[in-house]
Amino acid sequence: DAGVTQSPTHLIKTRGQQVTLRCSPISGHKSVSWYQQVLGQGPQFIFQYYEKEERGRGNFPDRFSARQFPNYSSELNVNALLLGDSALYLCASRLRDNYGYTFGSGTRLTVV
Amino acid sequence: GQNIDQPTEMTATEGAIVQINCTYQTSGFNGLFWYQQHAGEAPTFLSYNVLDGLEEKGRFSSFLSRSKGYSYLLLKELQMKDSASYLCAVLWNNAGNMLTFGGGTRLMVKP
Repeated sequence: DAGVTQSPTHLIKTRGQQVTLRCSPISGHKSVSWYQQVLGQGPQFIFQYYEKEERGRGNFPDRFSARQFPNYSSELNVNALLLGDSALYLCASRLRDNYGYTFGSGTRLTVV
Repeated sequence: GQNIDQPTEMTATEGAIVQINCTYQTSGFNGLFWYQQHAGEAPTFLSYNVLDGLEEKGRFSSFLSRSKGYSYLLLKELQMKDSASYLCAVLWNNAGNMLTFGGGTRLMVKP
């Protein structure tokens, strides 16, 4: 069975541009969350979706948005990129609310 | 707040035992996870504790005391490949059961 898949694996963008990151959860997993991980720190929660509805949002500006599709895949959009948005963006899925997450390999975003 | 505290760095010797501690605010607690993360890779699941006590899984064990807001990850018979960051993450019993991570403990295993 395929794990959580994310695309692209690496991305370089210029300040002010917009980026869309994609995630496909493990088959049967209806909950998807997005995390931002800056080098040397733990992952920071951005969004959580369950059954296509937003269930939680972390302390991130409105430039960050996300959605979940009927097939439970998800996209994370970041507008007006800043240098500080450079990070590893992790997508994770889980079967139910009180289960642990399985993480994808992440998208490494570099903003120059 | 939902502060999760763990040491930033630890060093241990190959073959030894190391204990990585994690403390958290108890309000809303609904479970605790430990993940291992090698540099440049995704976190991988190690253990899950929701009741008090020790959970053992091979060389790795995890302990939880809910009343004290305290957990530790115990790694025995350390191997060089255990050099990684270890992330303590708490599941909060709020809308959506959000999972919050500590800053991670970078463990270096030396020969």
